[in-house]
Amino acid sequence: KAGVTQTPRYLIKTRGQQVTLSCSPISGHRSVSWYQQTPGQGLQFLFEYFSETQRNKGNFPGRFSGRQFSNSRSEMNVSTLELGDSALYLCASTPGLADTGELFFGEGSRLTVL
Amino acid sequence: GQQLNQSPQSMFIQEGEDVSMNCTSSSIFNTWLWYKQEPGEGPVLLIALYKAGELTSNGRLTAQFGITRKDSFLNISASIPSDVGIYFCAGRTYKYIFGTGTRLKVLA
Repeated sequence: KAGVTQTPRYLIKTRGQQVTLSCSPISGHRSVSWYQQTPGQGLQFLFEYFSETQRNKGNFPGRFSGRQFSNSRSEMNVSTLELGDSALYLCASTPGLADTGELFFGEGSRLTVL
Repeated sequence: GQQLNQSPQSMFIQEGEDVSMNCTSSSIFNTWLWYKQEPGEGPVLLIALYKAGELTSNGRLTAQFGITRKDSFLNISASIPSDVGIYFCAGRTYKYIFGTGTRLKVLA
């Protein structure tokens, strides 16, 4: 069974640009959640999607957005990039809702903002 | 952002030694998860705990869900070099909150 797949694995952007990251959950998993990981703040919850609906959102500015498609694949977008957005962005999937099961993580997308 | 208190922050141990780390919170959680993360990779789930007092093992790893539901610990017995990595706890309410991580280095 394939794991959670995130693309791209690495990317470099400049301030002011926008970026879109993609996540394909484990087959059959319907919930996708996104996390930002930085050395200073650790793993921070961004948002969670289930059946194409955003269920929960973390404390991030509106520049961070996401969506989920009918096949459970998810994308997150960050607009007007800032230097502080440099981080490893992790996607995790669960069979049902994220508050009822275990999170299975992808390998992450490492974003560097110059 | 919110993080759980995890200790120790880092540790060097000799191969063969046992390791213990724990997470504490002021909040009550319904689930505790323990993850290991290696450089350049995403966290890998080690153990999941769902009930207060629950003690669960996975090979050389043993974890417990604290009776107060505010803490959890992870033990690694007879450590080996491949145990090197960062270990995270995660506690769940309506979302998961992660610990600050314990960086483990094993000296052969």
